[in-house]
Amino acid sequence: EDQVTQSPEALRLQEGESSSLNCSYTVSGLRGLFWYRQDPGKGPEFLFTLYSAGEEKEKERLKATLTKKESFLHITAPKPEDSATYLCAVQAIAAGNKLTFGGGTRVLVKP
Amino acid sequence: DAMVIQNPRYQVTQFGKPVTLSCSQTLNHNVMYWYQQKSSQAPKLLFHYYDKDFNNEADTPDNFQSRRPNTSFCFLDIRSPGLGDTAMYLCATSRDRGSTEAFFGQGTRLTVV
Repeated sequence: EDQVTQSPEALRLQEGESSSLNCSYTVSGLRGLFWYRQDPGKGPEFLFTLYSAGEEKEKERLKATLTKKESFLHITAPKPEDSATYLCAVQAIAAGNKLTFGGGTRVLVKP
Repeated sequence: DAMVIQNPRYQVTQFGKPVTLSCSQTLNHNVMYWYQQKSSQAPKLLFHYYDKDFNNEADTPDNFQSRRPNTSFCFLDIRSPGLGDTAMYLCATSRDRGSTEAFFGQGTRLTVV
């Protein structure tokens, strides 16, 4: 069974204080790993897809990296508007279109 | 412009009273999904359609049904809601089988009283 574990569950940062979120996964044949941002009361917003170990993608203050067992989402010099829950999900080759999500990391950036 | 639209945004229903949630998409995507997300938990896939082909998850209760009358619309029917069905229901689409990102709607927050 595919499993995704995110840590920490919650993260409180001062504005400008860089940090990393972890997503550990177990999947039989990875098609892709996805990062989403979810604001309270809203649907997840797509951020990145990573396909193979060593791949990196960046968007503004966010950078996602992938190894064979885990992915990191690095937040560089965060701003209060980066406060959200960040969700990691995996798609296994054998699971068709199904996304298996982790529990998320709630990030709060204080000014 | 919103590409995956869910209605209503908020729904309150009584215990045991059937309820239908709707989802429409302007992306012309082949795949449509329904996820259930309870408070502070990960979204959990209930079922998905690839075109008209319905795929149910093994642990989705029989109480949950879905219809996809055409490419653009998909409905989630809860036949006899229980208090434990209080959750956010998320509709998502993706272009095709095995394609990459899924695009989510804003969700319908369902409260069963």
